[in-house]
Amino acid sequence: SAVISQKPSRDICQRGTSLTIQCQVDSQVTMMFWYRQQPGQSLTLIATANQGSEATYESGFVIDKFPISRPNLTFSTLTVSNMSPEDSSIYLCSVGTGNTIYFGEGSWLTVV
Amino acid sequence: GENVEQHPSTLSVQEGDSAVIKCTYSDSASNYFPWYKQELGKRPQLIIDIRSNVGEKKDQRIAVTLNKTAKHFSLHITETQPEDSAVYFCAPQMDSSYKLIFGSGTRLLVRP
Repeated sequence: SAVISQKPSRDICQRGTSLTIQCQVDSQVTMMFWYRQQPGQSLTLIATANQGSEATYESGFVIDKFPISRPNLTFSTLTVSNMSPEDSSIYLCSVGTGNTIYFGEGSWLTVV
Repeated sequence: GENVEQHPSTLSVQEGDSAVIKCTYSDSASNYFPWYKQELGKRPQLIIDIRSNVGEKKDQRIAVTLNKTAKHFSLHITETQPEDSAVYFCAPQMDSSYKLIFGSGTRLLVRP
């Protein structure tokens, strides 16, 4: 099994600022995934974070806006840069191990 | 890339009736098919899943059926209760990794 600790759980951010979300897993995993859920929408995969290499971004997401770090096999960060109200979302990290996929508790961001 | 369609987008049933939500996908390499339930203000929670070597799986009032040939799987909820009211997402696995592609969601309302 895997336990994911994600923080912050909630934040209110000023337009134009950046915020870094942290995701800590209690076991080593090869890949970590970052999702976004905008209000009233489904979850969308932002990128896959690989240890020792650059993250792989999905269509519509770019590194300048969502830089990701993956310094080791248990930790990753996602930064939401130069935030606008459209970035108000839930951001979730996810890992897979064995036959199970786990999600963090989510970071609820509101941009004002 | 993977294309996922989920129907219906909203579903209203009388308490005690059954509810069925269908998900179609395009990636024939997918072999893991979960359903998530999201209550207001909470992260999505896995409620049932099925793998490609199984046609049906049941857990009390919830069941999932898979038709791999036709590339669709369905969530069945019997004897619905008001606490089943939530948004449900299918999320077939993408390209044999731990990545999930979420459907657009179904808002289920169970009327008492």
